[in-house]
Amino acid sequence: KQEVTQIPAALSVPEGENLVLNCSFTDSAIYNLQWFRQDPGKGLTSLLLIQSSQREQTSGRLNASLDKSSGRSTLYIAASQPGDSATYLCAVKSSFGARFGAGTRLTVKP
Amino acid sequence: GEEVAQTPKHLVRGEGQKAKLYCAPIKGHSYVFWYQQVLKNEFKFLISFQNENVFDETGMPKERFSAKCLPNSPCSLEIQATKLEDSAVYFCASSQSGGPYGYTFGSGTRLTVV
Repeated sequence: KQEVTQIPAALSVPEGENLVLNCSFTDSAIYNLQWFRQDPGKGLTSLLLIQSSQREQTSGRLNASLDKSSGRSTLYIAASQPGDSATYLCAVKSSFGARFGAGTRLTVKP
Repeated sequence: GEEVAQTPKHLVRGEGQKAKLYCAPIKGHSYVFWYQQVLKNEFKFLISFQNENVFDETGMPKERFSAKCLPNSPCSLEIQATKLEDSAVYFCASSQSGGPYGYTFGSGTRLTVV
C-alpha cells in the first residue's frame, strides 16, 4: 500500500525567501508524481507533473525533483511571494490510482 | 471542455437524506476519480472509473455510497441516508489515461449534513 508523507506540515517564511517542500512515498513503482496547490475553499491547481523516468520539472519559480529509488520528491520555490501562500499537496500515481500526502500549509509574510 | 465541471458547488442535506453529486470530466479523458476531503484534511480516495467501468473502488464505504459513470452523462456520486461525518468537500478528477498522464481536478462540491 502506498503511503505518502509531506514534511513539514506547515511553514511560515518571510517574503523573498527560497524554500523547499518535501514529499516521500513508500512504493517506488509509480507512473508519476504531481504537485498541486490548494487555496482556501478552492479546488486543486496542478503545478508540476514529473514522470517516473524524469528527474525534475521546472515552471517559472518552481522546480520539482524526483528520486524514485529513494521515494522522495522536493518542490523548490524561489523568491517566495505572499501570493504563494496556500497548501501544497503531492500526489503519487501508480496502477492503483493516486495517493495524496496531507499537504504543507505555506504562509509567506509580506 | 477543458475543465472538470462539478455540480452543485454547495449542497446541504438533513441527516438521513440522500445526496447526489455530479462530475463532467474533460472530453477525451477516460478515467474519473472521486476523492473526499474532510475539514481540509487528507484527501481520501473513494472510487475510480475507466470509462463506464469501475476501476478501483477500494475506498468506497459501500453501505451508503454508490457511483456511476454512464455514457453521455455526467458521472455521479450518491450518498444514501447521509450522516454528519459525510460533511466534506468531494472532489472529482479526470485523467487522459491510467498511465503517465496527470490529473485535472474540479473545484469540488461542499456537502454539509445538518
